[in-house]
Amino acid sequence: KNQVEQSPQSLIILEGKNCTLQCNYTVSPFSNLRWYKQDTGRGPVSLTIMTFSENTKSNGRYTATLDADTKQSSLHITASQLSDSASYICVVISPSDYKLSFGAGTTVTVRA
Amino acid sequence: DAMVIQNPRYQVTQFGKPVTLSCSQTLNHNVMYWYQQKSSQAPKLLFHYYDKDFNNEADTPDNFQSRRPNTSFCFLDIRSPGLGDAAMYLCATSRDQLSASYNEQFFGPGTRLTVL
Repeated sequence: KNQVEQSPQSLIILEGKNCTLQCNYTVSPFSNLRWYKQDTGRGPVSLTIMTFSENTKSNGRYTATLDADTKQSSLHITASQLSDSASYICVVISPSDYKLSFGAGTTVTVRA
Repeated sequence: DAMVIQNPRYQVTQFGKPVTLSCSQTLNHNVMYWYQQKSSQAPKLLFHYYDKDFNNEADTPDNFQSRRPNTSFCFLDIRSPGLGDAAMYLCATSRDQLSASYNEQFFGPGTRLTVL
């Protein structure tokens, strides 16, 4: 069973609207949690990195939250743009060397 | 400015014919990673180098090998590609261990491998 579960698997939103993606994990202990954006046919790009002591981190219109008690994270996209169409991947890093647990990703499609 | 460069971007090979994918970085990072990503799936770590130290994931098939001749370059060798090896191969780097949150991971654009 994957230790990082993302939901929804995909979603479609209209340009200008907001959306929230979920990431639930069972990895324990963990060092930090990362959100990546992956455009079709390209490599992932880091959006946010949060340690277990951080609750929220923003990068422009992207805001990630983390609740280490419930082992949940979310990525909120504000005022979506067509360029936000991509796959968003949640990754949990263990303190032990190089143990990375990837979620399957949420595919976001923004329509005009 | 490209920081992690992968060549070629698209590679077609025949079943069983060895193929090499290359990755280079201009970041002078200690760590280089190879990932396999199949359609609609998350990237799967195959192995990584910390400097010259090679670390293989337990479930990486023996068919996959890697070389890192110097800090800047890393190669992925697939000795006998099968149809199931068709995927996007991603190279990534980080200055040091990702368990330290200040270490960002940078990905290349990927090489899409097709096996005929």
